[in-house]
Amino acid sequence: QVTLKESGPGILQPSQTLSLTCTFSGFSLSTYGMGVGWIRQPSGKGLEWLANIWWDDDKYYNPSLKNRLTISKDTSNNQAFLKITNVDTADTATYYCARIPRDWGQGVMVTVSS
Amino acid sequence: DVVLTQTPPTLSATIGQSVSISCRSSQSLLDSDGDTYLNWLLQRPGQSPQLLIYSVSNLESGVPNRFSGSGSETDFTLKISGVEAEDLGVYYCMQATHAPLTFGSGTKLEIK
Repeated sequence: QVTLKESGPGILQPSQTLSLTCTFSGFSLSTYGMGVGWIRQPSGKGLEWLANIWWDDDKYYNPSLKNRLTISKDTSNNQAFLKITNVDTADTATYYCARIPRDWGQGVMVTVSS
Repeated sequence: DVVLTQTPPTLSATIGQSVSISCRSSQSLLDSDGDTYLNWLLQRPGQSPQLLIYSVSNLESGVPNRFSGSGSETDFTLKISGVEAEDLGVYYCMQATHAPLTFGSGTKLEIK
C-alpha cells in the first residue's frame, strides 16, 4: 500500500524560504520509473503542479516558479523535499505530494503572513 | 503551456441521473509513444484528489464502473452513468503529455 504524508512549517513570513517534506512508503525512489511530484491548491481554487523528481534524479519544474523552486530526495529515508524561496501571500495554499497521478498525500496547509 | 478547458463549471444532478463533463485541450495530448496522458480526478470536500480514469479511458482499480472516459487528441469526456450521493465534489482533468503538467479548472458536481 502506497502512502505519502506532507509536513511543513504551517505559517511563515513573506520573503522567507518554505521547506516541505514528503515522507512516503510502499515504493522506493530508487526504483526505475518512480517519481514524486508537488502540487499546490489555494483555498477554494484549482490545482497547480510545481515540480517532479524521478528515480534517476531528473528534476522538472513549473516554469512559472522555476527560479524559486528546488526539489530533492533522500532515497534511503523515503523522503522528497521542496523548497520555495522568497515566499509571499500568493504562496498560501495546501501543498500535496503525490506519485502523480495515482497516489496523493493528505496535504499540508501553508500560510504566508506578516 | 497546455490549457485544459472544462465545461460546465458546475453541474447539478439528481441521484441516478447520467452526466458528462467535457475537457478540451489547447494541443493534442497524443504522445510520441502512442499513449494519451489525460487523466480524470475527483476531489471530494475536504479530501485530496483521487484518480478515477487514466490515459483517457482506463478505470483506476477500485473505482466504480459507472465512471467512464472517452475522447482523443484534444476532446475528452468523463461520463457518470447514474450519479450517486458519494460522487459530489470537484472533477479535474489533467494532462501529463506535455511539460508542464497542467490541470483543468474543475467541474463542481452538486447533488439535487
